[in-house]
Amino acid sequence: AQSVAQPEDQVNVAEGNPLTVKCTYSVSGNPYLFWYVQYPNRGLQFLLKYITGDNLVKGSYGFEAEFNKSQTSFHLKKPSALVSDSALYFCAVPNGQNFVFGPGTRLSVLP
Amino acid sequence: DADVTQTPRNRITKTGKRIMLECSQTKGHDRMYWYRQDPGLGLRLIYYSFDVKDINKGEISDGYSVSRQAQAKFSLSLESAIPNQTALYFCATSDFGGLAGANEQFFGPGTRLTVL
Repeated sequence: AQSVAQPEDQVNVAEGNPLTVKCTYSVSGNPYLFWYVQYPNRGLQFLLKYITGDNLVKGSYGFEAEFNKSQTSFHLKKPSALVSDSALYFCAVPNGQNFVFGPGTRLSVLP
Repeated sequence: DADVTQTPRNRITKTGKRIMLECSQTKGHDRMYWYRQDPGLGLRLIYYSFDVKDINKGEISDGYSVSRQAQAKFSLSLESAIPNQTALYFCATSDFGGLAGANEQFFGPGTRLTVL
């Protein structure tokens, strides 16, 4: 079965510093990988996805993610964090006709 | 996403009561999903539907039922609510086409359900 792991429950970063939210995957075949963000009292919003092609994927709100096949990782990154980036972030992978979501990583950006 | 709406947004009920959560979408997607979110567990799939005549159980369907009334409407029922069904419930939609599994999902704002 396809699965993803998010090794960190919580990530704290100072405003203006680069941020990384980690995701590792276990899939058979070529992986499709997704990142979603959940702001307080909101549903999940799609950020970006890797299907094929360039290993560096750019998405919404200045986020990007790097697909690394040898390390089976798909870490989410942003060069300069904003306080408004504070939210819950989910990595996800298709599993048959549906998705499997990681447990989420709470990002706190401190002013 | 305003294209996916859920009602009610909050509900408090008592053990044993029947509850219905409703989801509507204007995105024109065929595929609809119901998830529950619990702290530290991410999202778990309850039911999904790929068209009006297609209903499928997800990972945690026990104690739940669904109805796909139209392409745009997908409701979730708790026949006899119990306290461990207290959670945040999300409806989602996705398009079909292209590579299987390649299309992102669009989520409603969620319903916070508390069962006392």
